[in-house]
Amino acid sequence: QKEVEQNSGPLSVPEGAIASLNCTYSDRVSQSFFWYRQYSGKSPELIMSIYSNGDKEDGRFTAQLNKASQYVSLLIRDSQPSDSATYLCAVNTYNTGNQFYFGTGTSLTVIP
Amino acid sequence: DVKVTQSSRYLVKRTGEKVFLECVQDMDHENMFWYRQDPGLGLRLIYFSYDVKMKEKGDIPEGYSVSREKKERFSLILESASTNQTSMYLCATRQGWQFGYTFGSGTRLTVV
Repeated sequence: QKEVEQNSGPLSVPEGAIASLNCTYSDRVSQSFFWYRQYSGKSPELIMSIYSNGDKEDGRFTAQLNKASQYVSLLIRDSQPSDSATYLCAVNTYNTGNQFYFGTGTSLTVIP
Repeated sequence: DVKVTQSSRYLVKRTGEKVFLECVQDMDHENMFWYRQDPGLGLRLIYFSYDVKMKEKGDIPEGYSVSREKKERFSLILESASTNQTSMYLCATRQGWQFGYTFGSGTRLTVV
């Protein structure tokens, strides 16, 4: 079983809609969770981090964490064509030190 | 902002060559990482380092070595390049467990 799993997509949403990206992880003692956005040919850039159960909002982005169910999600409100990218989920577990496990990413296309 | 600089954006090398990929950070972060990214396989950890002269194997260290003589510089070495090492190589740094990675711009290596 993979440490971190994401639906590879592609996920297509119309401009202005809410895009919902999901990620599940296997290690129950995982502590910190991150979402990265990666444009084609570019390196990943950090957009959200979350450590506690519940929601965390930053502008049009909301990260949701449910440790009991071992999933973390990213909601993008009022989706824009510039949000079209691959979104990577990363999970850090205490016993792996500062190493992340990454999902393979979900490709999002926002249709104008 | 932390800046992570990778010396080459694109690199073409011949099979059997020894290849050096350089990564330099401009903050005082102890943790540095080398990943490779391949379609469908996501990000895979090659080596990481917690401090000068320290190195730890990641998930796919075979065919690679690293050097960290100074805190700001972490080098990835392909001892004898092979075509299956054609990939995007990403260097990352991290301040501590509660922080995300900051990635360099990546080096797209092609081995012919």
